[in-house]
Amino acid sequence: GAVVSQHPSRVICKSGTSVKIECRSLDFQATTMFWYRQFPKQSLMLMATSNEGSKATYEQGVEKDKFLINHASLTLSTLTVTSAHPEDSSFYICSARADREFTEAFFGQGTRLTVV
Amino acid sequence: GNSVTQMEGPVTLSEEAFLTINCTYTATGYPSLFWYVQYPGEGLQLLLKATKADDKGSNKGFEATYRKETTSFHLEKGSVQVSDSAVYFCALTKGQAGTALIFGKGTTLSVSS
Repeated sequence: GAVVSQHPSRVICKSGTSVKIECRSLDFQATTMFWYRQFPKQSLMLMATSNEGSKATYEQGVEKDKFLINHASLTLSTLTVTSAHPEDSSFYICSARADREFTEAFFGQGTRLTVV
Repeated sequence: GNSVTQMEGPVTLSEEAFLTINCTYTATGYPSLFWYVQYPGEGLQLLLKATKADDKGSNKGFEATYRKETTSFHLEKGSVQVSDSAVYFCALTKGQAGTALIFGKGTTLSVSS
């Protein structure tokens, strides 16, 4: 299957700082990317959907000013957690889909964010 | 909105045992249904899928049938192996085809030899 690379896999940052997580589709062009958050022993919760070249669509309850999503190219989306707090510590996972019709979405390996 | 309920684990089995992980859903319209697997230290991988009622998805000995009448998509395998130890997620499309996925909470499977 296609490969989605997420970087970094782990990051520790101090409260109040910002952290950027990258999601790249390595061998296909991703018109749509999704960002999920996973709490320990819980399901993946969809945070937002981003289409290349347009603003992300955020799920209810997700602060768009805190979780900045940029999908500037067909192979790269970034999630920036701004002014991070300990409660933002979580596992963030991206997935990417090749076109606007239904196709399989491929997942990155996730980023473990710890805010201290 | 669409949602999925998955049996809670962990599920502990001996090698060659029969596996069932229950998954039921609520949805408007006709969602597509999926099982994803997450092996230790790895990302999510699509295990199988079904896009319409009565479809059976199968892969690596795992099977699941899209049952509209019971709104279920139970995962089964006739004989599990130690290498099947992983976390399994049931999921369905959030809306119409091509949209994001809604996931169950995941079921941890541990298979011992």
